[in-house]
Amino acid sequence: AQKITQTQPGMFVQEKEAVTLDCTYDTSDQSYGLFWYKQPSSGEMIFLIYQGSYDEQNATEGRYSLNFQKARKSANLVISASQLGDSAMYFCAMKKGYSSASKIIFGSGTRLSIRP
Amino acid sequence: DTAVSQTPKYLVTQMGNDKSIKCEQNLGHDTMYWYKQDSKKFLKIMFSYNNKELIINETVPNRFSPKSPDKAHLNLHINSLELGDSAVYFCATSAGSTDTQYFGPGTRLTVL
Repeated sequence: AQKITQTQPGMFVQEKEAVTLDCTYDTSDQSYGLFWYKQPSSGEMIFLIYQGSYDEQNATEGRYSLNFQKARKSANLVISASQLGDSAMYFCAMKKGYSSASKIIFGSGTRLSIRP
Repeated sequence: DTAVSQTPKYLVTQMGNDKSIKCEQNLGHDTMYWYKQDSKKFLKIMFSYNNKELIINETVPNRFSPKSPDKAHLNLHINSLELGDSAVYFCATSAGSTDTQYFGPGTRLTVL
């Protein structure tokens, strides 16, 4: 069965520092996708970054990068030069295969707080 | 121009009532979803529709009935509301090879 684990319920980071949010996953499938979402206190879910299991390069989107270590089954999110607006809940998610019939499962989330 | 919209944003109702939440998307995506986020922020899929056809139906009480009148709309009707139904309900859409989910703003349902 698929599983996503986020072991850090909460983190505090100083503004302008880099931060790594941990995510490990468990699947026996070879084909899967990994996602990170941000949920600020206003409640909306914002897509940040995607990594496919066959992608050889780590995904990057602006200040976000995904540290994909396939053998370790980890997909950590790295935020460079953190800003106050980065304070939010962050969710790691995984989807098996590419069929629309395959559901996405979410981790329990990490609450990130940026200190000025 | 909102890509995925939900109405209402807040819904407060009494136990036993029937209520509906509406979702509309203008992204032209084929697949739409309903998710439930509980008080501990845990997010779980409830239903998925592809081109108006139900393709994912998680273990959800049959008091919950999704309806997709067309590709741009997916509504959620809930009968006989219970206290445990209190949560934030998100509509989402997806398309493309990655199936990235794009979420609506959520509807906070409170059952008294």
